[in-house]
Formats: sequence, structure tokens, C-alpha cells
Amino acid sequence: SQQGEEDPQALSIQEGENATMNCSYKTSINNLQWYRQNSGRGLVHLILIRSNEREKHSGRLRVTLDTSKKSSSLLITASRAADTASYFCATDAFGAGSYQLTFGKGTKLSVIP
Amino acid sequence: DARVTQTPRHKVTEMGQEVTMRCQPILGHNTVFWYRQTMMQGLELLAYFRNRAPLDDSGMPKDRFSAEMPDATLATLKIQPSEPRDSAVYFCASGLWQTSGANVLTFGAGSRLTVL
Repeated sequence: SQQGEEDPQALSIQEGENATMNCSYKTSINNLQWYRQNSGRGLVHLILIRSNEREKHSGRLRVTLDTSKKSSSLLITASRAADTASYFCATDAFGAGSYQLTFGKGTKLSVIP
Repeated sequence: DARVTQTPRHKVTEMGQEVTMRCQPILGHNTVFWYRQTMMQGLELLAYFRNRAPLDDSGMPKDRFSAEMPDATLATLKIQPSEPRDSAVYFCASGLWQTSGANVLTFGAGSRLTVL
């Protein structure tokens, strides 16, 4: 079952603009991760934010986490055509000695040169 | 760069046939995940191994799917018999388990399965 839900489903912007994607989830988490998937490829890890962190940066990426609202956002600044891809949030959960890392359905980002 | 290797990359088969997908996780990683990706359902977790032990396969249809790790360098996902609804891209991912739960995954390129 999907834990995270990304919003919007698709986003089209001009090169140089900023892109913001949101992720909402339902249950308590330990960490939240963002991944990117280029067409026909596997997912690539971008950034991880822990539940006790509110904001994290990595290059042109900025991730925020609001555990009270059970939501996260991924901001890509000064977008490039090469940023065109699908972006997924992934949330983890422990339960009954097990561990699950579940993904949302993703936001498809198109950056127009 | 260390990679997760999946074979085959593409597989076309007929309904009722057995399909076996293989995955070589990154050396030193102790967790392996199998996911299935379709347009309708997105990424679904099928099975999860830690130190070669299956910890969670609740997402996997038990009657036809099976997942194993015969050794630390090989994970397999088998479908028998296959059905058209199994058509999807199957991803293997490996990671290094941390007690903090920060399990960052490296994905393989996927196995695209088409069942006719």
C-alpha cells in the first residue's frame, strides 16, 4: 500500500525556474527520502531527512519536513533540462519487527529548455 | 561505481511459463528489496531481506511468487505460473541496514517483464 502521495502528479516548467514537489504521508515515520527516476532507468537516491530534522540542503535541492502535517517538500532551484525525471518520496516504517520502505506514485517533472 | 545488477533486462513470455529474475546486490550491503512498478499501482514492495533472511514478503502473491537469497551475492524472484497481470518492471535494490532505520537504497536498472 502507498504511504506517500506526491503532488502534483505532473509539473512542467521552463529551464531556470524553480520546481516544488510535495509529499504527504499517513503514519509516523523515522526518515523520509527522495529519489529520482529517469525514463527507463532505476531510481536514484537524492536526499534523506530524518524525522527530527526540519530542513536539509544538497546542492540545488532543498527538502523540508513537517511531521505535524505529515508532509515534505522537495525544491529544485534553477532547474535544468537534465532535471527532467520522475521524483518519488519514500517513507519508512517499523512494525512487528519488520521494516518497510514505501514509495509514492511520483511527480513527473518536465523542464523545457 | 558499485552497482546492483539485474538480469534479464527484458523478458517476453507466454502465460503459464515460469519466469526467474536475478539480482546481484552491492558487495557489503545486507538488505535487499524487490519492487514491482506499474503505471497504475506505482512502486509496490514485494519482498525484503536482511542478512539473507526474508523479513517481509506480505506484498507478494504467495501462490505464484517466491523470493530467495541462496547466497549474499544473489537474490532471485520467481513467478510460476506467470499471468498477463504480472507484466511490469521489477526492481531489485540493496542497502546497508542502520539501526536508525536510514536505509538508503541503490536500485538496479530493472527487469521489464511482458507476459502475453
